[in-house]
Amino acid sequence: DGGITQSPKYLFRKEGQNVTLSCEQNLNHDAMYWYRQDPGQGLRLIYYSQIVNDFQKGDIAEGYSVSREKKESFPLTVTSAQKNPTAFYLCASRPQPGFVSDTQYFGPGTRLTVL
Amino acid sequence: SQQGEEDPQALSIQEGENATMNCSYKTSINNLQWYRQNSGRGLVHLILIRSNEREKHSGRLRVTLDTSKKSSSLLITASRAADTASYFCATVPYNQGGKLIFGQGTELSVKP
Repeated sequence: DGGITQSPKYLFRKEGQNVTLSCEQNLNHDAMYWYRQDPGQGLRLIYYSQIVNDFQKGDIAEGYSVSREKKESFPLTVTSAQKNPTAFYLCASRPQPGFVSDTQYFGPGTRLTVL
Repeated sequence: SQQGEEDPQALSIQEGENATMNCSYKTSINNLQWYRQNSGRGLVHLILIRSNEREKHSGRLRVTLDTSKKSSSLLITASRAADTASYFCATVPYNQGGKLIFGQGTELSVKP
C-alpha cells in the first residue's frame, strides 16, 4: 500500500518531556510537511522540508524540531519548550513543484496530550 | 498566519439539499484547494482550481474562483449523510515553495 503513516495514533506525555512523532511515506515525494490542528481550527504549518537534509520553519516552529535524513521520513520532536503542545498533529507530503498538482497527501494524524 | 477565512463556520442541512461553503483569502495565489476532514482523521484532497480557472467540477462538487474578489466557493449538490465532515480551503501563494495556507474550516452536518 502506498501512502503516509504516522505513529502513534495517540500519545501521552508528561510536562517537561520531549516526544517524537513519526511520519513515513512511500510515495517517493520530495516535500514533507508538519501541521498542528487545535479544536475547531484550521491547520498551521510547523516545519516543512523540500529535499533531504534541508528544512524550513513554518508559522509556529517555536518549541519544535525536525530532521530529514531520509527521503521517506520526517520525524517531529515536540520539546519541553513548547508551551501548549496538546493538539492533533498532521504530516503531509507532495511531489516537488513542476508536477501537475500541488496537492498534499495527509497521514492519519497523531493526537498528543500533555498530562 | 492563516490566509483563508471560511463562511459559514458551521452548516446543518437535510440530506438531498445543496451545501455551499465560501472561502476568502488575502494574497495572490497559484491555486486554491479544498480538503475534507472526517472527525479525528487526516485530510483528503477534494479538488484544486488554478488561478486562471473560474469554475471546476468533480462529481457532485462544484468549485468557483473569483481572483478579483479573492474568494472561492464549494458547492456540494444532493448532499448525503456521508458528506458530514469539516471542509477546508487552502491557498498556495506564489513563490512560497508550495506551502498550503488553510482556512479555519466549515463544519458540515447532513441529517438523514
